[in-house]
Amino acid sequence: ETGVTQSPTHLIKTRGQQVTLRCSSQSGHNTVSWYQQALGQGPQFIFQYYREEENGRGNFPPRFSGLQFPNYSSELNVNALELDDSALYLCASRESYNTEAFFGQGTRLTVV
Amino acid sequence: GESVGLHLPTLSVQEGDNSIINCAYSNSASDYFIWYKQESGKGPQFIIDIRSNMDKRQGQRVTVLLNKTVKHLSLQIAATQPGDSAVYFCAENISRGSTLGRLYFGRGTQLTVWP
Repeated sequence: ETGVTQSPTHLIKTRGQQVTLRCSSQSGHNTVSWYQQALGQGPQFIFQYYREEENGRGNFPPRFSGLQFPNYSSELNVNALELDDSALYLCASRESYNTEAFFGQGTRLTVV
Repeated sequence: GESVGLHLPTLSVQEGDNSIINCAYSNSASDYFIWYKQESGKGPQFIIDIRSNMDKRQGQRVTVLLNKTVKHLSLQIAATQPGDSAVYFCAENISRGSTLGRLYFGRGTQLTVWP
């Protein structure tokens, strides 16, 4: 167990809807990143938060947005869901940008 | 795009044998590398890491080798066990610049251990 928890574990949404995924980072970790993992692929970086500020973003459209709270927990919001958004969404927390990143168990999102 | 790739998508070994999983990277600015194990339905689990100022690091039953000259990384698992069956990913990290802290993953290698 890494101490990184994500909720919910599974979710089914309809195309066009909005979704919010949540992540509680490991104690003492102020850096949280979100990744999208399509079936059979490696995780792809979405964005990263450090002390409540976004400080890095991957090649994802603006309908992917996030927040980090004062307790370092985080949310990933996706608007106008598309079928291709179906994936495992992973949250990772780390002490700093150059230390090991610990992942949660992920949220499996299915868009129908 | 992805700069981390893997030489073999699948690897099958017999229980008790040693396993070697390879990984190539292309970004010379990468200065920190992590190996992850991912079991079905779970998030990636940290195995071992290595910084670019090292060429070898050992953990419990695992060794990571880094060859910066040819931009190659390998994970060696000694006395492979059935519980080692999983997908293994290498990830590279750049600790400065606009890509600070983001991990780049390859496709992964499926390791299957036969009894």
